[in-house]
Amino acid sequence: SQQGEEDPQALSIQEGENATMNCSYKTSINNLQWYRQNSGRGLVHLILIRSNEREKHSGRLRVTLDTSKKSSSLLITASRAADTASYFCATPTQGGSEKLVFGKGTKLTVNP
Amino acid sequence: GAVVSQHPSWVICKSGTSVKIECRSLDFQATTMFWYRQFPKQSLMLMATSNEGSKATYEQGVEKDKFLINHASLTLSTLTVTSAHPEDSSFYICSARNPAGGEKLFFGSGTQLSVL
Repeated sequence: SQQGEEDPQALSIQEGENATMNCSYKTSINNLQWYRQNSGRGLVHLILIRSNEREKHSGRLRVTLDTSKKSSSLLITASRAADTASYFCATPTQGGSEKLVFGKGTKLTVNP
Repeated sequence: GAVVSQHPSWVICKSGTSVKIECRSLDFQATTMFWYRQFPKQSLMLMATSNEGSKATYEQGVEKDKFLINHASLTLSTLTVTSAHPEDSSFYICSARNPAGGEKLFFGSGTQLSVL
């Protein structure tokens, strides 16, 4: 079964607005990662947050992690048309496993 | 950064033929690579873990005789789709972890396979 489940499945916003995507997972983890995928391309790692962290920033990205609720959120501030892509959360299959399981993703469209 | 190169980007083949997809780590050595499959507008499904110098580890439900994986060197893993059928048409993506880069994965650009 899918470890990560993102919502919403699709999100359409205007340039300059913020975009928030959520991810829920089921098992214990030691880290959670967010990736971005442009249409028809491979994935690019955005940010990793460890289980002992609650919030992490990288440029216009802000990630939160709530291990008690088994959920994470990705916030993209001041969005740009170039942010249009699918965003996936990923978690190790078991604790510190090397294997990552990906959620279903959120398709973000930023309109100019 | 770490670069993973995947070839070909797309391939069209006739039903019954075999197709080989290559995944190379260009600037690091990868003892482990991962092969994923992605259907349109869906998530990535882990197919198998490719281990350098040993047999691949397949996920439940993935036919190892159908999807042959070879990891002959620390920089190259190949996935061969044998006797391809239209239902094998999909987007295949490889990834690897740079030992110096922590837990994140570096992905190839993917291969779109279309079986006629």
